[in-house]
Amino acid sequence: DAMVIQNPRYQVTQFGKPVTLSCSQTLNHNVMYWYQQKSSQAPKLLFHYYDKDFNNEADTPDNFQSRRPNTSFCFLDIRSPGLGDAAMYLCATSRDSLAGAEEDTQYFGPGTRLTVL
Amino acid sequence: DQQVKQNSPSLSVQEGRISILNCDYTNSMFDYFLWYKKYPAEGPTFLISISSIKDKNEDGRFTVFLNKSAKHLSLHIVPSQPGDSAVYFCAARLTGNQFYFGTGTSLTVIP
Repeated sequence: DAMVIQNPRYQVTQFGKPVTLSCSQTLNHNVMYWYQQKSSQAPKLLFHYYDKDFNNEADTPDNFQSRRPNTSFCFLDIRSPGLGDAAMYLCATSRDSLAGAEEDTQYFGPGTRLTVL
Repeated sequence: DQQVKQNSPSLSVQEGRISILNCDYTNSMFDYFLWYKKYPAEGPTFLISISSIKDKNEDGRFTVFLNKSAKHLSLHIVPSQPGDSAVYFCAARLTGNQFYFGTGTSLTVIP
């Protein structure tokens, strides 16, 4: 009964070699998020989709891109990974925070740990 | 520029006692606050939340208190159980699907 699935759980890539992380959800939520979390730091929002509407955080590097081909899937593309991009990448979903409902919360996947060699 | 801060990286509590986890924020426009619990090798899971128009929300052993004037919220767990041992993240929402997280507090409940 997994609700937010991230594949792979562990990803190793080489410096500068493009890598794609995937996320899928069975919740039919409007909103999907990508967070980057480095060791002992807070999860940092990279961007989110409200349906097909892409919202990039101002300080997210251009090296990070995202695609959402349909409601269920969302991808994080790192075009040229650097050593500083090694982190845990968390995908999350929520119904619709624009509605302002108290029960709107995020459901997280287990994360993908990216290692850059 | 950390808008949500958890100043205690770790906390140890005896089983059966109260655990109090604290969180401070700087942005008065946050309208909703959440606590997440995270076990190793898993993503954060939602625990409890509170709207900015309330000052307390309770769910079983978990209570969240919000002090807007002090820009402070806290999570109380009573009684604490060994299964509560995890990392707890405080998060705050701006209208428009923007969530900001603290760095987490690692809680250890000692049997």
